[in-house]
Amino acid sequence: GNSVTQMEGPVTLSEEAFLTINCTYTATGYPSLFWYVQYPGEGLQLLLKATKADDKGSNKGFEATYRKETTSFHLEKGSVQVSDSAVYFCALSGLTSNSGYALNFGKGTSLLVTP
Amino acid sequence: GAGVSQSPSNKVTEKGKDVELRCDPISGHTALYWYRQSLGQGLEFLIYFQGNSAPDKSGLPSDRFSAERTGGSVSTLTIQRTQQEDSAVYLCASSSIPGQDYEQYFGPGTRLTVT
Repeated sequence: GNSVTQMEGPVTLSEEAFLTINCTYTATGYPSLFWYVQYPGEGLQLLLKATKADDKGSNKGFEATYRKETTSFHLEKGSVQVSDSAVYFCALSGLTSNSGYALNFGKGTSLLVTP
Repeated sequence: GAGVSQSPSNKVTEKGKDVELRCDPISGHTALYWYRQSLGQGLEFLIYFQGNSAPDKSGLPSDRFSAERTGGSVSTLTIQRTQQEDSAVYLCASSSIPGQDYEQYFGPGTRLTVT
């Protein structure tokens, strides 16, 4: 079945450091890929997405490229800020209409950025 | 406009009691999803509604769990005879239409604690 594996946290970085959070997936077919973010005390919100191979999703300085050959969707940001401290979830869309293409999530990576 | 809302935000109940969790999706969204977020299992999909129908209920953890949606809007998730392993954050999400490319908008969740 479909599954997502992302690097364990917590990840602690200093402000302005480079961020990479690894995400790999297993899926039959051609899912869409997502990164969701959960800020402290808030609900999950979409950060970026990519719907086909070689697509790059980007938002708020974050980027991720859909790599079919390596089944990966790694999240990167060139210079993190304290306000980026949150839990990041990699997810792929389901492929069956019966599930409404429900999301299959990784376990989440906690990021703490210190001043 | 208003986002997805859920109530209650927190619920503490005794083992063996029944609980009802409510979700108000974004107006006009036909697709509604329930997920559960727990320390051990991460984020797992429970059930999906297209309109008032749930095509596949196999994601519900046990027959103590049931869900319904009325008027193509509000949904309730009911857990009967609660057990301690039911303690988790229950998340509701909605989407304008079901599809693997479409964003799901999440509510703030209901934190359920079974004592």
